[in-house]
Amino acid sequence: DTGVSQNPRHKITKRGQNVTFRCDPISEHNRLYWYRQTLGQGPEFLTYFQNEAQLEKSRLLSDRFSAERPKGSFSTLEIQRTEQGDSAMYLCASSPGQGRATEAFFGQGTRLTVV
Amino acid sequence: AQSVTQLGSHVSVSEGALVLLRCNYSSSVPPYLFWYVQYPNQGLQLLLKYTTGATLVKGINGFEAEFKKSETSFHLTKPSAHMSDAAEYFCAVSDLGRDKIIFGKGTRLHILP
Repeated sequence: DTGVSQNPRHKITKRGQNVTFRCDPISEHNRLYWYRQTLGQGPEFLTYFQNEAQLEKSRLLSDRFSAERPKGSFSTLEIQRTEQGDSAMYLCASSPGQGRATEAFFGQGTRLTVV
Repeated sequence: AQSVTQLGSHVSVSEGALVLLRCNYSSSVPPYLFWYVQYPNQGLQLLLKYTTGATLVKGINGFEAEFKKSETSFHLTKPSAHMSDAAEYFCAVSDLGRDKIIFGKGTRLHILP
């Protein structure tokens, strides 16, 4: 197992375009998280899944953001009509266990730049 | 709702000196607590965690942290700083591990020669 994989690693897009990021968690990890990190800040929680169920979405996540985790495996995060304020590092993490998150394993992130 | 406060966005210590990074949490139920480290242009790596049991937990690279319920704290320490410890450190909390993991804003540790 090579850990949590995120693609692409870097994405530059024009304002107003849609972008989609993919996260492949560690095999058999039931819980999957999405975070956003801007320079000099800690990871901000966006949303998380338990298997295929999306359990919570942050108020930070506007209607332009949507996340899915079909079949409880990989996940995608889509941002529609991107804005310059969306520029950030988007981090995905996964953790094992059905009920309790003993720790989260992070991917390398996808850096989004909106120009 | 759980939350984390890290005191000091930047901390500088001399090589060989004690490292102390402060973290206070808020949680309505017994918390699971974590410290992560992030080196430049790298992902987050778990240093150590507290779930249940012994309140003093040891992690990688000589770091340890003590869970103090009465003080709602989970400070990170290392007896002797090394140049390779220079990085960003994040404290995180989860309500009993059942809920999402919430991170603090981070503390950048600088090591002075």
